[in-house]
Amino acid sequence: AQTVTQSQPEMSVQEAETVTLSCTYDTSESDYYLFWYKQPPSRQMILVIRQEAYKQQNATENRFSVNFQKAAKSFSLKISDSQLGDAAMYFCAYRFSGAGSYQLTFGKGTKLSVIP
Amino acid sequence: KAGVTQTPRYLIKTRGQQVTLSCSPISGHRSVSWYQQTPGQGLQFLFEYFSETQRNKGNFPGRFSGRQFSNSRSEMNVSTLELGDSALYLCASSRQGANTGELFFGEGSRLTVL
Repeated sequence: AQTVTQSQPEMSVQEAETVTLSCTYDTSESDYYLFWYKQPPSRQMILVIRQEAYKQQNATENRFSVNFQKAAKSFSLKISDSQLGDAAMYFCAYRFSGAGSYQLTFGKGTKLSVIP
Repeated sequence: KAGVTQTPRYLIKTRGQQVTLSCSPISGHRSVSWYQQTPGQGLQFLFEYFSETQRNKGNFPGRFSGRQFSNSRSEMNVSTLELGDSALYLCASSRQGANTGELFFGEGSRLTVL
């Protein structure tokens, strides 16, 4: 069974600084997707960034970028120029691409606080 | 374009009762998934429906059930409620055929069991 581990339950960052959230996963599959989802206090989860395992290039979305290390099964999220609106729970998630299902396996999450 | 809509947003039940939660997916999305979110267990997959058929099911007891209607709207039901069923229940929809299967989540239904 696939597992996703986020080893940092809580983190904080100064506004305008950079922070990196860690995620490791375990799978025997070679083709899969990885996601970072953000859940603000209002609770609606939104997709921050996604990575296809077959792509070697790290995904980027504006201030958000990932460091995808397939051999190490590591998928960290870097937030640059942190803003107050980045404060939220961040979940790392995995999906096997070949299952015919969109089921996600989530990590336990990292609560990010942004200090003004 | 309206997002994923879940009703009710909050509800309180007592042990032994049953509850039905509703989810309306984004227009055009035919895949609907349900997740249970608790502080201790995090986000756990309940089930997934596509075209009125259950495509996948998580490791939950039979008290948890769901269905999907022809208009893609979905309901989940929990019977004989237990205190441990208190949680935020999240519904997510996805557009079939999208390679990444990106999920779009609703705001959730907060269930409290007393």
